[in-house]
Amino acid sequence: DGGITQSPKYLFRKEGQNVTLSCEQNLNHDAMYWYRQDPGQGLRLIYYSQIVNDFQKGDIAEGYSVSREKKESFPLTVTSAQKNPTAFYLCASSIPAGAYNEQFFGPGTRLTVL
Amino acid sequence: DQQVKQNSPSLSVQEGRISILNCDYTNSMFDYFLWYKKYPAEGPTFLISISSIKDKNEDGRFTVFLNKSAKHLSLHIVPSQPGDSAVYFCAASPPRDDKIIFGKGTRLHILP
Repeated sequence: DGGITQSPKYLFRKEGQNVTLSCEQNLNHDAMYWYRQDPGQGLRLIYYSQIVNDFQKGDIAEGYSVSREKKESFPLTVTSAQKNPTAFYLCASSIPAGAYNEQFFGPGTRLTVL
Repeated sequence: DQQVKQNSPSLSVQEGRISILNCDYTNSMFDYFLWYKKYPAEGPTFLISISSIKDKNEDGRFTVFLNKSAKHLSLHIVPSQPGDSAVYFCAASPPRDDKIIFGKGTRLHILP
């Protein structure tokens, strides 16, 4: 039963603390992505990785960091430098470009910074 | 600079009628277009796609139309059902690129 898991579903943190969001996939996809969704803003790309040990900044990377040590895992750290961290975070994966491929999404993590 | 635009934030349609969601794009290099459906507090799910070599793709109740000269695509849902109430995102991808550019979404309400 392949898919993408994100944990936890809801996360609360105090202002000034770093927090790491988990994303795991067993679809054997090479590419993985992190998006942020805010009301009325659609999905905005934070970081993406096309292969292990490599990743690129998306449109809103400031205040975030990622790692890609394993093909299955792409954790996102929301640092204290992120000015408005409260949002719904979505992880996705896809097979690489070269064919027409859609991205598959996880269930999301809602982060609330108090 | 929004490359993928969904100009209608919301749309209400009677159950059983046709729902038409519209999307415009500005980058003529986009060659693959997708529609995603999203329920609150869940991840988007892929609905249907179309490549730029086609002008129509159909899957059950869902049909996507592409007008390249107008840089416009639309998603038709017929007949509309209560479970279709969700936010629909239009997305586009340039050639040989893993990234997808999403629109801001249109919230569809199916009325009983």
